[in-house]
Amino acid sequence: GAGVSQSPSNKVTEKGKDVELRCDPISGHTALYWYRQSLGQGLEFLIYFQGNSAPDKSGLPSDRFSAERTGGSVSTLTIQRTQQEDSAVYLCASIRVDTDTQYFGPGTRLTVL
Amino acid sequence: GENVEQHPSTLSVQEGDSAVIKCTYSDSASNYFPWYKQELGKRPQLIIDIRSNVGEKKDQRIAVTLNKTAKHFSLHITETQPEDSAVYFCAEGRTDSWGKLQFGAGTQVVVTP
Repeated sequence: GAGVSQSPSNKVTEKGKDVELRCDPISGHTALYWYRQSLGQGLEFLIYFQGNSAPDKSGLPSDRFSAERTGGSVSTLTIQRTQQEDSAVYLCASIRVDTDTQYFGPGTRLTVL
Repeated sequence: GENVEQHPSTLSVQEGDSAVIKCTYSDSASNYFPWYKQELGKRPQLIIDIRSNVGEKKDQRIAVTLNKTAKHFSLHITETQPEDSAVYFCAEGRTDSWGKLQFGAGTQVVVTP
């Protein structure tokens, strides 16, 4: 079946604008994760979902960041009033409840001018 | 909180030689240790993982060893090839935590012909 998909693949925005990033997990995967990867850096955990609830939001950098998941499937990560330091690749990953393997999407490259 | 230290940050090897990457962790409850490979511009992909009930696991040219007492685990790549060039991330987690992982900072491996 299809893997994890994300859209858009690239997003260029102006400082101060809001952006919305989308993640479509693998069908049937119950847990979903968002990470941020700055250029040449590791994977910074942002938030994860069990079904539609988010037990751990500890990685969200500020209150400008929020995420939701509906129907136990698609998730959106919203960044309000974007800043230049928000520029990064945003990756999502999904996992089936009875395994531990995280399957990553291709990422959304966000550039804030 | 938990953290994972990964060394070295960069590793240059001659084709055919072996490469070793080491990670240390602090959470004694961690019992799942995957390794991900990320080629330039691509998504991270799982290459091998190990659980705390074994000390070593092999898959062709790659192997992972785990020392729970010392809280460290290592990735070994033998007979390296140019296509092994990538960034490698270690991670640790608990199988009772819905797959949440803490990632190392990554190792850039360059295999020169």
